[in-house]
Amino acid sequence: AQSVTQLDSQVPVFEEAPVELRCNYSSSVSVYLFWYVQYPNQGLQLLLKYLSGSTLVKGINGFEAEFNKSQTSFHLRKPSVHISDTAEYFCAVSDRANQGGKLIFGQGTELSVKP
Amino acid sequence: DAGVTQSPTHLIKTRGQQVTLRCSPKSGHDTVSWYQQALGQGPQFIFQYYEEEERQRGNFPDRFSGHQFPNYSSELNVNALLLGDSALYLCASSLPNSPLHFGNGTRLTVT
Repeated sequence: AQSVTQLDSQVPVFEEAPVELRCNYSSSVSVYLFWYVQYPNQGLQLLLKYLSGSTLVKGINGFEAEFNKSQTSFHLRKPSVHISDTAEYFCAVSDRANQGGKLIFGQGTELSVKP
Repeated sequence: DAGVTQSPTHLIKTRGQQVTLRCSPKSGHDTVSWYQQALGQGPQFIFQYYEEEERQRGNFPDRFSGHQFPNYSSELNVNALLLGDSALYLCASSLPNSPLHFGNGTRLTVT
């Protein structure tokens, strides 16, 4: 069984400040890791994914995430946020045997960027 | 290139009724997954269809059923609606072993 814990339900931050959204996972098998963003009244958009290789993954909109196997973490970072980054962010895992299969999501982190 | 489209966008039903939600996958995608997102929660996997067969299923009762058509579009059916079925229902499409692309969802309200 797999589970995902997003350690912060809400993260308020000022514009142009750096931000980190924390994600820890638990799994008895090897996993793929994902971050999705959800803007109000919209579906989920893939920000970035870790499949294999370099543990530092770069995604869209200037976001990056680092996979840490020993700490079972996959934290999302951005060095300078914009007002337009205000959204809900979800960390997710899937079984390596089926990348396009069942995703297990965390509860989400609401990022609020203030001017 | 149209992405994943879902219809309707909003729906209000009464307890005990039945509902059908529809999804057209992104062009070229042959796999469709359905998720339920309750207010303030992360999405939860309902099931996935590939080649018109249910390939995987999450922890949802039999009241939730689905279908995939030869053109890869899909329907989600929920029978005997409960107040707790009120949620955003998300459809996602993909190719085998590739990331999911999500639609904007159908907001179902059960009164």
